[in-house]
Amino acid sequence: KQEVTQIPAALSVPEGENLVLNCSFTDSAIYNLQWFRQDPGKGLTSLLLIQSSQREQTSGRLNASLDKSSGRSTLYIAASQPGDSATYLCAVKDDYKLSFGAGTTVTVRA
Amino acid sequence: ETGVTQSPTHLIKTRGQQVTLRCSSQSGHNTVSWYQQALGQGPQFIFQYYREEENGRGNFPPRFSGLQFPNYSSELNVNALELDDSALYLCASSFRTGALETQYFGPGTRLLVL
Repeated sequence: KQEVTQIPAALSVPEGENLVLNCSFTDSAIYNLQWFRQDPGKGLTSLLLIQSSQREQTSGRLNASLDKSSGRSTLYIAASQPGDSATYLCAVKDDYKLSFGAGTTVTVRA
Repeated sequence: ETGVTQSPTHLIKTRGQQVTLRCSSQSGHNTVSWYQQALGQGPQFIFQYYREEENGRGNFPPRFSGLQFPNYSSELNVNALELDDSALYLCASSFRTGALETQYFGPGTRLLVL
């Protein structure tokens, strides 16, 4: 059974600092890994998708890396802003379902 | 292109009742998945429907059931509600493409069981 862990559970940084969010998973037989953002009480917004054959994916200030052999992914958010405050979830996909971590709740202080 | 929509947004039920949640898939998608997210946790996979057939199921009891209709909209039914069923229920639609498949999530239905 796939287990996904995210560390830390919560993070508070001053505006402008870079964010580093970690995700680990136990079964490397994955199709892809996605990072999502969730605002309080809301649904999920997909940020980045990394295919199992890729090492990283970038979108604007976001960069995600994937090391499938060691079961790790890292999401980097450059020059954080108060609007980046949210919960960030990583999820790995097998042939049909996503397995999620519990998320990292980020607070960016102005 | 319309996104994924869910109804209702909020719902309050009492223990033992039955509930039906609805999801309208994004245009062009043929697969819908349902997830349960308890407070402070990540979403847990309930089941997936592909072309109106159940395609996979998570660790949820049979009182959780679903349907997918020819227009690819979907329902999640929960019978004999329990207090622990209180959660945010998310549906996600996608077009099956294997490694490139991206699931697009709706805003969720928040269910409170009293």
